[in-house]
Amino acid sequence: IAGITQAPTSQILAAGRRMTLRCTQDMRHNAMYWYRQDLGLGLRLIHYSNTAGTTGKGEVPDGYSVSRANTDDFPLTLASAVPSQTSVYFCASSEGEGQGDTQYFGPGTRLTVL
Amino acid sequence: GQNIDQPTEMTATEGAIVQINCTYQTSGFNGLFWYQQHAGEAPTFLSYNVLDGLEEKGRFSSFLSRSKGYSYLLLKELQMKDSASYLCAVRDGDYKLSFGAGTTVTVRA
Repeated sequence: IAGITQAPTSQILAAGRRMTLRCTQDMRHNAMYWYRQDLGLGLRLIHYSNTAGTTGKGEVPDGYSVSRANTDDFPLTLASAVPSQTSVYFCASSEGEGQGDTQYFGPGTRLTVL
Repeated sequence: GQNIDQPTEMTATEGAIVQINCTYQTSGFNGLFWYQQHAGEAPTFLSYNVLDGLEEKGRFSSFLSRSKGYSYLLLKELQMKDSASYLCAVRDGDYKLSFGAGTTVTVRA
């Protein structure tokens, strides 16, 4: 069982370009999440999906969009990248979004926007 | 917004004990998680507390006091491989996780 995979591992992107970060899980988890991690700020929630077909905005959603067409995949799209979106992006999933549901994280994508 | 505070850095000697404190002020409370994150890697789950008291899991223990908005993670018999960042995360009233900035623990020989 692979758990959660993310692609690419790292990417350097010119400002203004469109980029999609991919996330796939094979645990049949209902809930999935996208976070960004910046030095000194910790992990911040960008978007989430409680179940296939639904999505919601997190703490820092501006400049990002997501879709959840099926249970396994949860891509994150930057429509027009800006340097402030330079960060490490982590995808996570959990069985549900209930009190005790633990989130499990993918290996991350390191994105640099120049 | 949510407010979760933990120390930035701690240093300890191999074989010693270290206690990482976390205080929080959130809109509602539905549990507190501790994660370990080695440099360049993903966070991995360590512990979960939703009721007051101590949860012990091998060399790691986690404590929660909901009335004080306080938790700590206790690492015993420190090993070099315990050098990592430790993240405190609170599940709020909307069932979303908010993370502290993390505590970097350095274990010296």
